[in-house]
Amino acid sequence: QVLSQESGPGLVKPSETLSLTCTVAGGSLRAGSYFYSWLRRPAGKGLEWLGHVQTVGSTTYNPSLDRRLTISLDPSKTQFSLRLSSVTAADTAVYYCATTKVPHAPGHAFDFWGQGSKVTVSS
Amino acid sequence: IHMTQSPSFLSASVGDKVTIVCRASQDISNNLAWFQQKPGEAPERLIFSASISEGGVSSRFSGSGFGTEFTLTITSLQPEDFATYYCLQDYNYYTFGQGTRLEIK
Repeated sequence: QVLSQESGPGLVKPSETLSLTCTVAGGSLRAGSYFYSWLRRPAGKGLEWLGHVQTVGSTTYNPSLDRRLTISLDPSKTQFSLRLSSVTAADTAVYYCATTKVPHAPGHAFDFWGQGSKVTVSS
Repeated sequence: IHMTQSPSFLSASVGDKVTIVCRASQDISNNLAWFQQKPGEAPERLIFSASISEGGVSSRFSGSGFGTEFTLTITSLQPEDFATYYCLQDYNYYTFGQGTRLEIK
């Protein structure tokens, strides 16, 4: 079982950078092989995968967002982070962190989720 | 890969049987999962590999399909089943369907 919790500001101004952190309990982020992901769900819309960082530190991003997105790992703090630059109202959403053990069976992504952190982009 | 999920809204009664469909824009083999999400909670996976139920998930939930068309069937609806359901493909990156909101009639 991997327990995780998102944290960060609930309000961000347009054009600024949204920063969130996911704190993971249950062991070192360098142990085993995992994908540490960020996802979001805008109000009234479906879930969107943003990207992930692997245990070894390499990253993969959603091509629709990758120019604005940075996901990084801080294993000393058992945390991984999201930075999304140049935000607009369209980035208002509930943001989730999730963990996937790899390798995995088909369709077996996103095993453990945080409870979500609501972020509003507004001046 | 684009996932088209239907219907987007479903109204049903306790005891009913309902079916939700997800269509992929290209062949994704069996790389499909179904998630349930209740208000204020994180999504929870019900089905993976298109048809394999997670441990502890009620046998009222079943998944089927392969390639481009997939279904989630819920039989004998219970009050706790009224939630939003999403399909997810992980064949190439990760894409969710737009969701099906299941409400009590």
